[in-house]
Amino acid sequence: NAGVTQTPKFQVLKTGQSMTLQCAQDMNHEYMSWYRQDPGMGLRLIHYSVGAGITDQGEVPNGYNVSRSTTEDFPLRLLSAAPSQTSVYFCASSYLDSLNSPLHFGNGTRLTVT
Amino acid sequence: KNQVEQSPQSLIILEGKNCTLQCNYTVSPFSNLRWYKQDTGRGPVSLTIMTFSENTKSNGRYTATLDADTKQSSLHITASQLSDSASYICVVRRNSGNTPLVFGKGTRLSVIA
Repeated sequence: NAGVTQTPKFQVLKTGQSMTLQCAQDMNHEYMSWYRQDPGMGLRLIHYSVGAGITDQGEVPNGYNVSRSTTEDFPLRLLSAAPSQTSVYFCASSYLDSLNSPLHFGNGTRLTVT
Repeated sequence: KNQVEQSPQSLIILEGKNCTLQCNYTVSPFSNLRWYKQDTGRGPVSLTIMTFSENTKSNGRYTATLDADTKQSSLHITASQLSDSASYICVVRRNSGNTPLVFGKGTRLSVIA
């Protein structure tokens, strides 16, 4: 049981480049989300999805796009990378039908924008 | 404003000693509070969940408490081990809203031999 898988683990981009961070889960979770984690800031929600075809913005959505074409996959796209997007990105998923369902996190993608 | 404050920011203890991490929140309406453990280079993993009616819950050497009146929670670690070195994140779920989870910034615990 793989859980939540994120690729790549590390990425270096130049300012202005675009890229997609991949996230896949095999637990049939309806809810998927993306967070960024910066020193001293804690985890901040970028975008989330409650099911295939449904996405919504979180706390810090600017500069990022998402799509949810299947239950399993929830890619995060950086449209034009900026140094401020240097961070560690975590994908997380959970069941929707219980308030007590925990988030299951991937092991993160460390992104550096130069 | 919905906030979760954790203290201390960081902590260093000797192996075998006990420690207590604090989480104070102003989140309303309250649904539950969860503690996560995040090892270096990994994603957070759930340790325990506290609901409104629960005062204390143990998971091995970890014991969480919740005082819903004062809006405080603690995570007590007994007989610490080197493998307890991690960040511990307190997350409170609201009972409303599209983005109901409010994250603390975490406490960084280092257990040294």
